[in-house]
Amino acid sequence: GAGVSQSPSNKVTEKGKDVELRCDPISGHTALYWYRQSLGQGLEFLIYFQGNSAPDKSGLPSDRFSAERTGGSVSTLTIQRTQQEDSAVYLCASSLQGGPNEQFFGPGTRLTVL
Amino acid sequence: AQSVTQPDIHITVSEGASLELRCNYSYGATPYLFWYVQSPGQGLQLLLKYFSGDTLVQGIKGFEAEFKRSQSSFNLRKPSVHWSDAAEYFCAVGAQPGNTPLVFGKGTRLSVIA
Repeated sequence: GAGVSQSPSNKVTEKGKDVELRCDPISGHTALYWYRQSLGQGLEFLIYFQGNSAPDKSGLPSDRFSAERTGGSVSTLTIQRTQQEDSAVYLCASSLQGGPNEQFFGPGTRLTVL
Repeated sequence: AQSVTQPDIHITVSEGASLELRCNYSYGATPYLFWYVQSPGQGLQLLLKYFSGDTLVQGIKGFEAEFKRSQSSFNLRKPSVHWSDAAEYFCAVGAQPGNTPLVFGKGTRLSVIA
């Protein structure tokens, strides 16, 4: 079946602009995660959706970052008033609900803020 | 809170040689442990995982890892490296009962020489 997909694959924007990054999880996966991978760094957790529960936003670095998940499926990560330090690869992952399930990762969106 | 340390930023091995990538974690209970591999421009692919039971786990592509509770380690091994193994390797820890955001190490970049 299809894996996790993300769009766009690359995004170049100017400082101060807003961007939206999209994630389509694997069908049937109720858990969805957003991570950020900066140059030379590991993956940093941003936000986590689990079913109909309130999302865990504890990893969002500032109030310029927000995310939503519509219909328990597609998720959009929005970054407002982008800054150069937001440049990174944004990775989305999904997993089945319940227990220690594997997270399946998408290919990521490379964001460059000029 | 969990944390993961991968002490080696970059390792170079000869093709056909054995490989061991180190991973140390910090977590108050029995963790869920993962090794992921990321090839250039690609998303993360799961190599193997440890949840419980046998402390020596086998993964894909001939990799294995051993969970050592006394050393808080989960080192990745391969007896004979192939040139296609050149990639970035990430160790990650998840909290019980699962379906929680993973905490990743900063990664180890593996180069393979002829």
